[in-house]
Amino acid sequence: GEDVEQSLFLSVREGDSSVINCTYTDSSSTYLYWYKQEPGAGLQLLTYIFSNMDMKQDQRLTVLLNKKDKHLSLRIADTQTGDSAIYFCAESFTGNQFYFGTGTSLTVIP
Amino acid sequence: NAGVTQTPKFRVLKTGQSMTLLCAQDMNHEYMYWYRQDPGMGLRLIHYSVGEGTTAKGEVPDGYNVSRLKKQNFLLGLESAAPSQTSVYFCASRPGQGSYEQYFGPGTRLTVT
Repeated sequence: GEDVEQSLFLSVREGDSSVINCTYTDSSSTYLYWYKQEPGAGLQLLTYIFSNMDMKQDQRLTVLLNKKDKHLSLRIADTQTGDSAIYFCAESFTGNQFYFGTGTSLTVIP
Repeated sequence: NAGVTQTPKFRVLKTGQSMTLLCAQDMNHEYMYWYRQDPGMGLRLIHYSVGEGTTAKGEVPDGYNVSRLKKQNFLLGLESAAPSQTSVYFCASRPGQGSYEQYFGPGTRLTVT
């Protein structure tokens, strides 16, 4: 399978920005995604970006894609305690199969 | 709309026993997926289906079988459970080609002793 890697843990103070990073190996990836998983729940799509884009902004979320370095990041502005969760990046080439990263557990300190 | 539901929520099996996990969606989605989630490994695709009557292998299919006899249901079977199959299993569905969002069920926690 494809390798999608993320750091396991991130801790930030409430009100600060969070940046969650992801690296992937498949240069032919067409779609890249960020999902959020709250405790005891399934994954929820936060945002996605096409491989022909460099940046996408959606309210407090900013996604940056560096295709040369195969690096994807998710920035959450003004992080709130409700943002505490596990965040997964995922990639897809055909749209049929999705490859997920290991997940980053974000802890927001009040 | 109930979205994606999974049955059961929890199950404990002994090694060698068999069971079937049921995934149901009421959104008329074409594509359905079964994943397993293990600590430090993210989600890995077991099998998927792009339509009623079709199934395909994912990244980790060994030890599992699936069936998609009805569009709204996707069944995951374990014929002879092993401790290595202890995991949280998630089902997901997607409208079809050209759609980007997968909708996930709440998960089934399976323990094999």
